[in-house]
Amino acid sequence: GAGVSQSPSNKVTEKGKDVELRCDPISGHTALYWYRQSLGQGLEFLIYFQGNSAPDKSGLPSDRFSAERTGGSVSTLTIQRTQQEDSAVYLCASTIAGNTQYFGPGTRLTVL
Amino acid sequence: TQLLEQSPQFLSIQEGENLTVYCNSSSVFSSLQWYRQEPGEGPVLLVTVVTGGEVKKLKRLTFQFGDARKDSSLHITAAQPGDTGLYLCAGDTGANSKLTFGKGITLSVRP
Repeated sequence: GAGVSQSPSNKVTEKGKDVELRCDPISGHTALYWYRQSLGQGLEFLIYFQGNSAPDKSGLPSDRFSAERTGGSVSTLTIQRTQQEDSAVYLCASTIAGNTQYFGPGTRLTVL
Repeated sequence: TQLLEQSPQFLSIQEGENLTVYCNSSSVFSSLQWYRQEPGEGPVLLVTVVTGGEVKKLKRLTFQFGDARKDSSLHITAAQPGDTGLYLCAGDTGANSKLTFGKGITLSVRP
């Protein structure tokens, strides 16, 4: 498929565990964004990558959240010591800078 | 913090009715985008408006960007059940194209 893919589609974890969420952007897209969508809230920006660099990490809610991108392609969002308030849908989007952002289907994270 | 407020939050109408929903902010955006999101999927871009006062049409959907580029409206003519979904507006400040989203409008069109 030519779209943005994310895995897993659903993740249920216990409070205190670490989780990794993966995003495969559209081939050739240099910019990649992570957003979080909580119930009743809009999409909340987390982090932006240009290539493998993250010039804007301003949306990461705490130091438990980190992300990396390798080879200018795949990105992983890691949440350490998960808390119940981390439960949300995590969305990834990719774009050629300045153009339309294409979103993946998201990963629904549930922290018990 | 730049906020986008969308109204109404929920809307349930009968097939064939017309509706208008709104996206308002006190901030100026370089562009404003409207997305539609269905359950279990990511948002899909409907339109981008850039120029103050701009009007764009997409079949039965009409989008308008305010003259001051702070607000926008979406008008749907003769709504269909297929229009059901979450409508999100998002403002682009131009900085890294980072988008600021509103909370969305949940539209339900009854057959």
